[in-house]
Order: sequence, then C-alpha cells, then structure tokens
Amino acid sequence: SQQGEEDPQALSIQEGENATMNCSYKTSINNLQWYRQNSGRGLVHLILIRSNEREKHSGRLRVTLDTSKKSSSLLITASRAADTASYFCATEETSGSRLTFGEGTQLTVNP
Amino acid sequence: ETGVTQTPRHLVMGMTNKKSLKCEQHLGHNAMYWYKQSAKKPLELMFVYSLEERVENNSVPSRFSPECPNSSHLFLHLHTLQPEDSALYLCASSQDLRGYNEQFFGPGTRLTVL
Repeated sequence: SQQGEEDPQALSIQEGENATMNCSYKTSINNLQWYRQNSGRGLVHLILIRSNEREKHSGRLRVTLDTSKKSSSLLITASRAADTASYFCATEETSGSRLTFGEGTQLTVNP
Repeated sequence: ETGVTQTPRHLVMGMTNKKSLKCEQHLGHNAMYWYKQSAKKPLELMFVYSLEERVENNSVPSRFSPECPNSSHLFLHLHTLQPEDSALYLCASSQDLRGYNEQFFGPGTRLTVL
C-alpha cells in the first residue's frame, strides 16, 4: 500500500462537530505535513510536525504523531461548512526532502 | 493566494497538439515541482527543479518535457498526449530542497486530452 494512507477516505459531519482524520506511513520520516485542497484547486499547507514532536496545535487544528506506530492524526475542532475539502498527509522521508502524499480524506461539513 | 500562479487554468487538447503549461512563483523560492493529480490516486511527483537544474524525473514519459529558464518560472511542454494524461497538473515551490519546508501550490491546470 501507499506511503501516507489516510483514513477514512470520506467523512461527513455536522457543523460544530469535531473531525478526526488519520494517516499511516511505512518508512522513517523527517516530518509529516497536512495539506488541504478545495475542489479542483491547489493544495494549501496546514501544519508540519517534526519526527521528534508528538503534538502540535494551530488554531482549531491539532496534529499528533506517533512514530512508533508510524501514524498521525489531524483533529479539526468545532468544524464549519467552510472546512469542507480534501485533506492530505504528506511525509518527508529521512532519505530525502521529497514529499509523498496519500490519497486524502474527503471531509464534508453539513450546515 | 499562495504566491504561485499557473496558466492556463483549463486546457483541452487533441492527441496531436502541442501545448505548454506555465507556472510562476513570486516567493523567491529555489525549488519548483510538477505534480500530476488524477482522480482516486495520490499526487504523483513528476519533476523537481532546484536552482533551475532538474534534480528528479520520476519515470515520466518523454511526451512531457519540463523547462525551468529561471528560478521563478517553470514550464511543462506537452506533445502527443494520451487520454489517460487527462488530470489536474499542479505546480509547487519550496524554499529549497534541504527539507522541513512546506510546499506552496498553484491552483493547477485542468487538462483534458481528447
């Protein structure tokens, strides 16, 4: 399977609820990044967490990283309809600075 | 806006046409990338340029030809494409290739090959 697999593939919630997306990867990494993509547009960087960090916050976003399990989660609290988008994790492997992206989680926040 | 622009935003071409995609970054970055995004597939890295030199070509068919005349501009020249090349082509830039850099993406060019 792919480096950087997101789970679930699709998530539908009501406005105000929290959304959690997970990412698993296979190799050793320097860092893991989360990106957001609105339909048919480019990706926007959300947050970067280094391999020696366990948790990071940015506004309503909370990212965790467990290198022993090779997994990360992205939590969006108090979701809004405007959060509707695809969310991708990307890993930067220790072997180089290239990013490897997963297939993404499609989040739909219903008003 | 991310500081990375792409033109055109949409392109429809026949299999015998020749066209070019353009990317420009206004961020002073030294590294630029071309990605292909197809439905239901992860982003595929196509090419990487650092300081105008190609440093990576991920087994991309020769019908895709990149060009980086300076650190702010990146082109993707297309010729004799196949229908399966229809996809969203994304350009991105980062400060350099030394790692721990976020990438800044353009809005993409939606390519349809008839």
